[in-house]
Amino acid sequence: DTGVSQDPRHKITKRGQNVTFRCDPISEHNRLYWYRQTLGQGPEFLTYFQNEAQLEKSRLLSDRFSAERPKGSFSTLEIQRTEQGDSAMYLCASSLRQGVEKLFFGSGTQLSVL
Amino acid sequence: GQQLNQSPQSMFIQEGEDVSMNCTSSSIFNTWLWYKQEPGEGPVLLIALYKAGELTSNGRLTAQFGITRKDSFLNISASIPSDVGIYFCAGDSNDYKLSFGAGTTVTVRA
Repeated sequence: DTGVSQDPRHKITKRGQNVTFRCDPISEHNRLYWYRQTLGQGPEFLTYFQNEAQLEKSRLLSDRFSAERPKGSFSTLEIQRTEQGDSAMYLCASSLRQGVEKLFFGSGTQLSVL
Repeated sequence: GQQLNQSPQSMFIQEGEDVSMNCTSSSIFNTWLWYKQEPGEGPVLLIALYKAGELTSNGRLTAQFGITRKDSFLNISASIPSDVGIYFCAGDSNDYKLSFGAGTTVTVRA
């Protein structure tokens, strides 16, 4: 068990550019979550996958955001035409089965949009 | 946005002190959780609570699930320097989507 892995750890981009983040969940975890955390706030739910199916998307996830989990293993989160307001920590979490107490978070990708 | 009100926003601790923080919600939750987050890392689960009125301990940490299911508190007894960090409460009503408070920042008093 190597934990939830996120890449990159830090990303600096210019406004208008596209960025993509990757999350590798704990092996065999079938549930994968994306959260966003801004400075001074707790994480906010963005979206959730069970295996390869994306089961819910928050209204926070505008049309510029897209998440995929093509084979039910790793996931990617893409932000198109980034805006300064997208600057945040993007956290990925995974769990094996039902029960939020079994949620394990990665270390996050810190995005800065200049 | 955030549904949970967490207080205090920040606190200073002296080694050996007991500290307490709480969280209230306008919504009922089925599960309350408390996390700790350190700089540059994701949140790490400290305690999970499943029943109204439940009191659970994890070492020097004690947390309670309020009987109204709309509040919870976390106590840290005999604090030590490594207790510094940001503590978050979180509630879950449907078993997959957590709502987090804004956090309580714990700092060592100089």
